[in-house]
Amino acid sequence: EDQVTQSPEALRLQEGESSSLNCSYTVSGLRGLFWYRQDPGKGPEFLFTLYSAGEEKEKERLKATLTKKESFLHITAPKPEDSATYLCAVQAITGGGNKLTFGTGTQLKVEL
Amino acid sequence: GAGVSQSPRYKVAKRGQDVALRCDPISGHVSLFWYQQALGQGPEFLTYFQNEAQLDKSGLPSDRFFAERPEGSVSTLKIQRTQQEDSAVYLCASRHTAEQGQVPQYFGPGTRLLVL
Repeated sequence: EDQVTQSPEALRLQEGESSSLNCSYTVSGLRGLFWYRQDPGKGPEFLFTLYSAGEEKEKERLKATLTKKESFLHITAPKPEDSATYLCAVQAITGGGNKLTFGTGTQLKVEL
Repeated sequence: GAGVSQSPRYKVAKRGQDVALRCDPISGHVSLFWYQQALGQGPEFLTYFQNEAQLDKSGLPSDRFFAERPEGSVSTLKIQRTQQEDSAVYLCASRHTAEQGQVPQYFGPGTRLLVL
């Protein structure tokens, strides 16, 4: 069974204090790993797709990286508007290949 | 362009009532998904449509849950005889292709269902 574990569950940062969120996964065969951002009362917003170990993608203050067992979301010099829950999800090759299996998320709070 | 829309945004139902939740996907998107998100949890897969065909319904928790997409566009998730454990946010997502890999799903705002 595919599993995704995210850590930490919650993270509080000062504005400008860089950090990383972790997503560990076990999957029968990885077709893609996805990062989403979710604000309270809203649906998840797509950030990145990763597929190959060693792959990196960047968007503004966010950079996502992938290894064979985990992915990291690096946040550089965060701002209060980066506060949200960050969700990681995997899509497997076998079985229900179309569905995303999500972790429980990391709730990030960035303070002034 | 317009994103995925869902209605109603909030629904309060008495235990035992039937409810119907609507999803309007992004125009032209072939694939449509329903997920259930409990408080403090990540979304969990319910069912998947490719055009009008329901190809995977392995995540539907019981036979009280039924989904349809008769014309390959708008979809409805119906829950019969609602129970308190059905209280959750129901998310709809669409994807422009039928391909599985590396193509993102785009989510709607969700319908928050509260069963009393």
